[in-house]
Amino acid sequence: AQKITQTQPGMFVQEKEAVTLDCTYDTSDPSYGLFWYKQPSSGEMIFLIYQGSYDQQNATEGRYSLNFQKARKSANLVISASQLGDSAMYFCAMREGGNAGNMLTFGGGTRLMVKP
Amino acid sequence: GAGVSQSPSNKVTEKGKDVELRCDPISGHTALYWYRQRLGQGLEFLIYFQGNSAPDKSGLPSDRFSAERTGESVSTLTIQRTQQEDSAVYLCASRRLVSEQFFGPGTRLTVL
Repeated sequence: AQKITQTQPGMFVQEKEAVTLDCTYDTSDPSYGLFWYKQPSSGEMIFLIYQGSYDQQNATEGRYSLNFQKARKSANLVISASQLGDSAMYFCAMREGGNAGNMLTFGGGTRLMVKP
Repeated sequence: GAGVSQSPSNKVTEKGKDVELRCDPISGHTALYWYRQRLGQGLEFLIYFQGNSAPDKSGLPSDRFSAERTGESVSTLTIQRTQQEDSAVYLCASRRLVSEQFFGPGTRLTVL
């Protein structure tokens, strides 16, 4: 079974509008972390936001927020006030276990295209 | 403060040749990771180093792949007898303690 599922291969959003990128995950470990990375056409992976499984509040970083619904095992990324520079691939990833050394497992990504 | 650097940025090789990919992590980052990203896909984990030991090599796809790390510094990923299916971007990331992983720009490997 897929550990990280991103069901939207591609998304369009109008500039200045908000957009939600979906991510569901599968783990039996009570301790885990969820990450979102942005990958523009240049190929670099840019860290956006992190949510720990024991965090009580949803993570926010500027225009990025993570809608964490633990019971549904979903960790959707919300980007508010989209900008043209937000056009990129977005990857959801999970790190399992209390051992912070564990690797990240990535979803297949969502390509976001912001229309002017 | 330099980020993670990787070299070469692009490598084109012939099938059957060996290649070495290099990663320089951020200074002070004890953990180092290698990932592979095939065209249009997400990242696949290859190997993880803590210092110069590799507690998790579970992602290496075959015995043609190996990696080593010198102390808490440079790492090299070696692919022997390259095959066309090895063509991908190879990404390195480093991390300090429990922070997020910082990625390098990747090496784009093309096997002809």
